[in-house]
Amino acid sequence: KQEVTQIPAALSVPEGENLVLNCSFTDSAIYNLQWFRQDPGKGLTSLLLIQSSQREQTSGRLNASLDKSSGRSTLYIAASQPGDSATYLCAAASANFGNEKLTFGTGTRLTIIP
Amino acid sequence: DAGVIQSPRHEVTEMGQEVTLRCKPISGHDYLFWYRQTMMRGLELLIYFNNNVPIDDSGMPEDRFSAKMPNASFSTLKIQPSEPRDSAVYFCASSLDPGTGNWSGNTIYFGEGSWLTVV
Repeated sequence: KQEVTQIPAALSVPEGENLVLNCSFTDSAIYNLQWFRQDPGKGLTSLLLIQSSQREQTSGRLNASLDKSSGRSTLYIAASQPGDSATYLCAAASANFGNEKLTFGTGTRLTIIP
Repeated sequence: DAGVIQSPRHEVTEMGQEVTLRCKPISGHDYLFWYRQTMMRGLELLIYFNNNVPIDDSGMPEDRFSAKMPNASFSTLKIQPSEPRDSAVYFCASSLDPGTGNWSGNTIYFGEGSWLTVV
C-alpha cells in the first residue's frame, strides 16, 4: 500500500526567502508525482506533475524534483510571496493502482510572513 | 469554462437524514472523481467514473454511501442515513484521460467542495 508523508505539517517563512517542501512515499513504483495547492475553503489546484521518467519540472518560481530510489519529492519555491500562503499537497499515482487513483499526503500549510 | 461546480457548498443536517451532494464536471471531461477530506485521514478517493460508468468504488466507506452519474454533465453522491462521522469536505473532480502506465496524462480539476456537517 502506498503511503505519502509530508513533513512538516506547517511552515512559516519571511517573504522573499526561498523554501523547500518535502514529500516522501513508500512505494517507489509510481507513474507520476503531483503537487497541488489548496487555499482555505477552496478545492485543489494542480501545480506540477513529474512523470516517473523525469527528475524535475519547473513552472515559474516553482520547481519540483523527484527521486524515486529514495522515495522523495521536493517542491522548491523561489522568492516567496504572501500570495504563496496555502496548503501544499503532494500525490502519487502508483503502478499498483494506476493513474486514476492518486494517494495524497496530508499537506504542508505554508505561511509567508510579509 | 466555469470549472467543476459542486452544490451545496455547505450543508448542516441531523443524524439519520439523507444527504445528496451534486457535481457538474467540466464539459468534455470523461473522468469524474469523488474525494473526501478530513483532518484525520486527509484526502481519500471514494469512487471514480469513466464515461459515466463507475470503475472503482473500493473507497466508498459503507453501504450508506452511493454515487451515480446519469449523464456526462451530472453526478451525485448520496449518504443515507447520515452519521456524525460523515462530517467532512467532499470534493468532486474531473479530468480527461489520466493516462496509462508511465504516460501520465491530463490535469485533474477540483471543485470547491461541499462542506458537510452531521449533528
